[in-house]
Amino acid sequence: DADVTQTPRNRITKTGKRIMLECSQTKGHDRMYWYRQDPGLGLRLIYYSFDVKDINKGEISDGYSVSRQAQAKFSLSLESAIPNQTALYFCATSAPTSGIGEQFFGPGTRLTVL
Amino acid sequence: SQKIEQNSEALNIQEGKTATLTCNYTNYSPAYLQWYRQDPGRGPVFLLLIRENEKEKRKERLKVTFDTTLKQSLFHITASQPADSATYLCALVLNGNKLVFGAGTILRVKS
Repeated sequence: DADVTQTPRNRITKTGKRIMLECSQTKGHDRMYWYRQDPGLGLRLIYYSFDVKDINKGEISDGYSVSRQAQAKFSLSLESAIPNQTALYFCATSAPTSGIGEQFFGPGTRLTVL
Repeated sequence: SQKIEQNSEALNIQEGKTATLTCNYTNYSPAYLQWYRQDPGRGPVFLLLIRENEKEKRKERLKVTFDTTLKQSLFHITASQPADSATYLCALVLNGNKLVFGAGTILRVKS
């Protein structure tokens, strides 16, 4: 089984709808992240969480919210989806004790907002 | 402004040759720099990390250099193979282990 899973893998929604993307991990890592990837722009950090009680905004948090339900679960919500939120979304985890900060990514969710 | 730049155009090379990918940055002071590989439809996978006090790091056919004066990292794949074809991302490691990614370079290795 994959260490970092994301659901759904693909989602098509309409402008104005609220949607939630979910991430689960079995790596036992405290740190979790949400990124979006757009062609030519690379990965950009939306939100990150260093433990269950810690939530921090990233570079592009406007229009998004997150919930850290447990150490293993981190959800991303789009309160009212708009077309420019069409992108590939990745969840990632890392361990603070690793010393090198490598991040482990999920398979991604392809979101299309019509 | 802060920027990370990677070769914007795809790099096409012949099997067996050495591929060299560039990562340049401005107005950042990273402690570490990482390289990831990303295959189509999949999440990035960590390859190597190099620290600011290291000039060079090797792992099998991979070699990374880091010049903090030039603000540049070079990523080399020697004896390249078609299976090395992918997008390669550089990432600066900032305070608190936050990563800032470049847009990536597509590498195509032809047999």
